[in-house]
Amino acid sequence: GAVVSQHPSWVICKSGTSVKIECRSLDFQATTMFWYRQFPKQSLMLMATSNEGSKATYEQGVEKDKFLINHASLTLSTLTVTSAHPEDSSFYICSAPGTNFFHEQFFGPGTRLTVL
Amino acid sequence: QQQVKQSPQSLIVQKGGISIINCAYENTAFDYFPWYQQFPGKGPALLIAIRPDVSEKKEGRFTISFNKSAKQFSLHIMDSQPGDSATYFCAASRGTGFQKLVFGTGTRLLVSP
Repeated sequence: GAVVSQHPSWVICKSGTSVKIECRSLDFQATTMFWYRQFPKQSLMLMATSNEGSKATYEQGVEKDKFLINHASLTLSTLTVTSAHPEDSSFYICSAPGTNFFHEQFFGPGTRLTVL
Repeated sequence: QQQVKQSPQSLIVQKGGISIINCAYENTAFDYFPWYQQFPGKGPALLIAIRPDVSEKKEGRFTISFNKSAKQFSLHIMDSQPGDSATYFCAASRGTGFQKLVFGTGTRLLVSP
């Protein structure tokens, strides 16, 4: 139980294009999901909290117009990196609270984005 | 006050040995402390978690020790195996998993055969 998937697992795009990353809770419903980015050999940095049916909450310093988040259903949240640039290249990971007693967060496998 | 400090940054342990990773926090409102294991190119996987109402929790070879007064908690991996070689992150949050996790900086563990 509590499986979170991401698609795609990796993507290469040209500078200036937009890229959409999907995060799905496969066997449970998630009204809240979290989006992180992780640079090589660094920790996870929370970008935003995605809330089903309402606007996402962005962390300080994260450009909401650049990183668009849509949580359209109880099992799907999407992160769109708009007008991507090489500095956006990173490992993007989502997580969702599971349905056990403590609602522990379960993470997706991550999406490697490379912007050329 | 939101930081979680983690040490060491890297650790080399012989097979069969004990791996110990330490974390410290400042925010006394934190009441949920999970540990995650991450392999290269993969998302973090929940290993074990503890709440401050207990001082120790053990699951298999993994044990969390929690010292509320010192605001410190640690992960012990007994009988470390080469397959345990990964990066380990401690984290903390207030309340349930619906709350934001604050992550430590990570510890890269290498278990030598």
